[in-house]
Amino acid sequence: EAGVAQSPRYKIIEKRQSVAFWCNPISGHATLYWYQQILGQGPKLLIQFQNNGVVDDSQLPKDRFSAERLKGVDSTLKIQPAKLEDSAVYLCASSRQRTTGELFFGEGSRLTVL
Amino acid sequence: DQQVKQNSPSLSVQEGRISILNCDYTNSMFDYFLWYKKYPAEGPTFLISISSIKDKNEDGRFTVFLNKSAKHLSLHIVPSQPGDSAVYFCAASDSGGGADGLTFGKGTHLIIQP
Repeated sequence: EAGVAQSPRYKIIEKRQSVAFWCNPISGHATLYWYQQILGQGPKLLIQFQNNGVVDDSQLPKDRFSAERLKGVDSTLKIQPAKLEDSAVYLCASSRQRTTGELFFGEGSRLTVL
Repeated sequence: DQQVKQNSPSLSVQEGRISILNCDYTNSMFDYFLWYKKYPAEGPTFLISISSIKDKNEDGRFTVFLNKSAKHLSLHIVPSQPGDSAVYFCAASDSGGGADGLTFGKGTHLIIQP
């Protein structure tokens, strides 16, 4: 079974520029999550999708972050404009169903904002 | 306000001995707890979980203990092996066993010494 795929693995941008991250979950997984992990911290949930609907985006800074999951499969997370404090690893995870606590994480996309 | 706390940033244990990783939580609504393991440049991987209706769950060399009155859980690894060297994250959920809105601790870096 193929794992969660994310790209790009690394991205360096200047502040105020924009960036987009892509995630392809495990086939058949209805729930998709985007987490932000700042160095030295644990992952923090940004947004959760169930199929193509948003379940929870309460911690997503909506003035600069946006995410979509068209057709309920792939997802894109965008940051525009980026700030220095957005430097982090952005982890995508998926789960087969929300009733199980096991998440399958991708390798992450490391963003550096200069 | 950290709801899930891992107060030891790092822990060094000799190979073959027991590793004990601790986690405290403050939210009494949490009813499901998980441990994830993370190697450098990889996403976290699920290790073991426990429901609040239990006080112990075992899986091979890994055992998780839950003390609800103290709001404390611990992960025991016996015997510790070099491949166990990784960052371990404690996570908690209040969604009745599901993965919705997992709250992660900051992690403990376990180092197994030969």
